[in-house]
Amino acid sequence: KNEVEQSPQNLTAQEGEFITINCSYSVGISALHWLQQHPGGGIVSLFMLSSGKKKHGRLIATINIQEKHSSLHITASHPRDSAVYICAGATTLGGGTSYGKLTFGQGTILTVHP
Amino acid sequence: DVKVTQSSRYLVKRTGEKVFLECVQDMDHENMFWYRQDPGLGLRLIYFSYDVKMKEKGDIPEGYSVSREKKERFSLILESASTNQTSMYLCASSLWRGSSYNEQFFGPGTRLTVL
Repeated sequence: KNEVEQSPQNLTAQEGEFITINCSYSVGISALHWLQQHPGGGIVSLFMLSSGKKKHGRLIATINIQEKHSSLHITASHPRDSAVYICAGATTLGGGTSYGKLTFGQGTILTVHP
Repeated sequence: DVKVTQSSRYLVKRTGEKVFLECVQDMDHENMFWYRQDPGLGLRLIYFSYDVKMKEKGDIPEGYSVSREKKERFSLILESASTNQTSMYLCASSLWRGSSYNEQFFGPGTRLTVL
């Protein structure tokens, strides 16, 4: 069964701190998505990774294929970064077809205090 | 920008009622998904569709059915709503590229309460 494990479940930080959220995934997952959900809001895709590293503003996502591990980093955190961050693995069905089906981690609730 | 819309933000229904949740996307995406999101359980896939009239069961299809008569519209149907189907329902769509690398675009969600 494809699995995605995320840690920590809850994270509290002071404004300006460097934040890391971790995600481990099982065999059968070929790409990793990082999603953001603000309270009462919809879900927004932040990154999609199959190798290496991606950066967008203060957000950085990395993936280690051999260790089946991905991290999301937030530099110079701000209260507006407070949200739930979700990692999700894209699964590959038999024959290499996935249709983009995702397996989700439990989410990390991030609270950044001013 | 891709836009995924859902018919209602909040819905209250009674046990036994038939419930329709509608989702529409405007970017000609082949894949569409229905998820439910519950505290402590995260997002779980109910059904997905990779083409018109095509559907596949997800991880928790029991008690639900779906319909995709047009490419842009994917409906989730609760044949006889029960209290354990009280949840946040999220629709998503993605472009078919024959690989895992499809970004999913999510709708705003429908918070359904079954009394």
